Amino acid sequence: KNEVEQSPQNLTAQEGEFITINCSYSVGISALHWLQQHPGGGIVSLFMLSSGKKKHGRLIATINIQEKHSSLHITASHPRDSAVYICAVRSMSNYQLIWGAGTKLIIKP
Amino acid sequence: SQTIHQWPATLVQPVGSPLSLECTVEGTSNPNLYWYRQAAGRGLQLLFYSVGIGQISSEVPQNLSASRPQDRQFILSSKKLLLSDSGFYLCAWSPSGGGYGYTFGSGTRLTVV
Repeated sequence: KNEVEQSPQNLTAQEGEFITINCSYSVGISALHWLQQHPGGGIVSLFMLSSGKKKHGRLIATINIQEKHSSLHITASHPRDSAVYICAVRSMSNYQLIWGAGTKLIIKP
Repeated sequence: SQTIHQWPATLVQPVGSPLSLECTVEGTSNPNLYWYRQAAGRGLQLLFYSVGIGQISSEVPQNLSASRPQDRQFILSSKKLLLSDSGFYLCAWSPSGGGYGYTFGSGTRLTVV
């Protein structure tokens, strides 16, 4: 079992739908990152969380430390949100990042 | 403010040719530096990390090597590329001393032909 599991692996939705991507982890962490990777490969850091909830525009990220679970939500989704969304956790033991496999999101117009 | 530069963005190289990818960081001192690789259809994998000049740790045996000739410069190299070296290479930095926050470069897509 991977230390960081994302679900779903693939998600296709219609423009305007509310999107939820989940990330579960099994190790002690000091922080969790959500990143976005566009088809060209470039990676953009969306959020870094250690507790609670953060919001930026139409993106919302939450984390529940006790349950070792985080969610990334996209409200009013748009085709330009189509990308791979990656969860990565920073291990408390060695400070290294452990990466999820990513969720490929396609938003259809 | 801190920034990270990685180049080139894309690269096509023949099998057996050398490789040099460069990453530089601005606006911070003594950062931890990282090279990751993403093979097609797979997640990111840590290749090398460095906590200081000349200090390189390798996570997996590779046809690749890394060097840190200056505090804010991290170079990924190969003497002879293999087809299996194709992938997306990402440089990142984090504060030294266990501080939070990673900042990522824009990545290099390498195709070995």
